[in-house]
Amino acid sequence: GAGVSQSPSNKVTEKGKDVELRCDPISGHTALYWYRQRLGQGLEFLIYFQGNSAPDKSGLPSDRFSAERTGESVSTLTIQRTQQEDSAVYLCASSLVGGGGELFFGEGSRLTVL
Amino acid sequence: GQQLNQSPQSMFIQEGEDVSMNCTSSSIFNTWLWYKQDPGEGPVLLIALYKAGELTSNGRLTAQFGITRKDSFLNISASIPSDVGIYFCAGSATTSGTYKYIFGTGTRLKVLA
Repeated sequence: GAGVSQSPSNKVTEKGKDVELRCDPISGHTALYWYRQRLGQGLEFLIYFQGNSAPDKSGLPSDRFSAERTGESVSTLTIQRTQQEDSAVYLCASSLVGGGGELFFGEGSRLTVL
Repeated sequence: GQQLNQSPQSMFIQEGEDVSMNCTSSSIFNTWLWYKQDPGEGPVLLIALYKAGELTSNGRLTAQFGITRKDSFLNISASIPSDVGIYFCAGSATTSGTYKYIFGTGTRLKVLA
């Protein structure tokens, strides 16, 4: 597609349930990032994928959070046993190259945990 | 999570005025990016900076990569109502072979017609 695509755009779930968020990066982009943005806050780094290299998971807040990426395409962010503090917009971005290239963001997935 | 210091946190200005905001870090960065985010949307890239001292313009926007590589500045000239939104800086540096971007805390801009 022309831009980064994220789904679902909105997700409401009950506390304790698992959720999966999907990101389709721009075709040909080798780097993919996930960020979390709480209401009225800035962007918190979660995880970074670069080609076939081991991902940088240093921003994942707990072991309930995990992410996978298939080659240089789709990525899935999974949150297990969701908590109310997980409520946020989860933003995905991709970059043509690693090494400090320009990031292009999707519209985000808004997660609400009741 | 780790974030950059961005100031001012918010500002109200009159239409036609110039705006300045800056971002500072305790670490050296190799790349600075500036974004604008409208409500309910993802951030949109405004300007990218790759060299210390670099000054780059995009229409009424001008950004600079600080000489110390620990700061960056964004200026908006002759503001208009559609400039309203949240502006974020982001910095990237090679750390253990990764190029993660750290984002600033944001500057909320409101333009009074």
